[in-house]
Amino acid sequence: DIQMTQSPSSLSASVGDRVTITCRASQAISNDLGWYQQKPGKAPKRLIYSASSLQSGVPSRFSGSGSGTEFTLTISNLQPEDFATYYCLQHNSYRTFGQGTKVEIK
Amino acid sequence: QVQLQESGPGLVKPSETLSLTCTVSRGSIRNYYWSWIRQPPGKGLEWIGYIYHSGSTNYNPSLKSRVTISVDTSKNQFSLKLSSVNAADTAVYFCAREPTSGGVFDYWGQGTLVTVSS
Repeated sequence: DIQMTQSPSSLSASVGDRVTITCRASQAISNDLGWYQQKPGKAPKRLIYSASSLQSGVPSRFSGSGSGTEFTLTISNLQPEDFATYYCLQHNSYRTFGQGTKVEIK
Repeated sequence: QVQLQESGPGLVKPSETLSLTCTVSRGSIRNYYWSWIRQPPGKGLEWIGYIYHSGSTNYNPSLKSRVTISVDTSKNQFSLKLSSVNAADTAVYFCAREPTSGGVFDYWGQGTLVTVSS
């Protein structure tokens, strides 16, 4: 099974900051990776698919990069509505989520 | 845009079978994969399995022995059965759509909490 190691598990940041979240796959997954945002009591929302493609309607301050085993989600110019938990997901073999990163207000 | 809605009992007794249905509206169930995902309270997300409109399935190996996912294209619905449940199966259960290309889980249901308790 493919394991996804996401880091950090939490971070504190201020509005306007640039935030980076990383996911590492236990084996190469090509670009079969997505990033999701989840707010309390809500379903996850897809932000990025195929590692770097921006979901329609998602602000351009969100970007994804990587291929193989190392992937990054970057939020530039963090906004108040971006404080949430973020998950990576691989779908190269079965589907496996990362453990999540909670982005909190500093 | 397509909408998904989970339905089913919110309380299931230990050792019994959890049954949920996801109804797809404003779109066809055909030509997509459809998944179940769960999230225990305060914890992360776990993929349970998916079904294609043709009926072919793929399950999380850790749950495979207890999971059955089925589809009813005439009703635009797909369903989850999880047998022999215990307290560890208490979670919010989501259904989600998987396109055949361009990533997965582009649309989600709102989720439904299922508690396993006597």
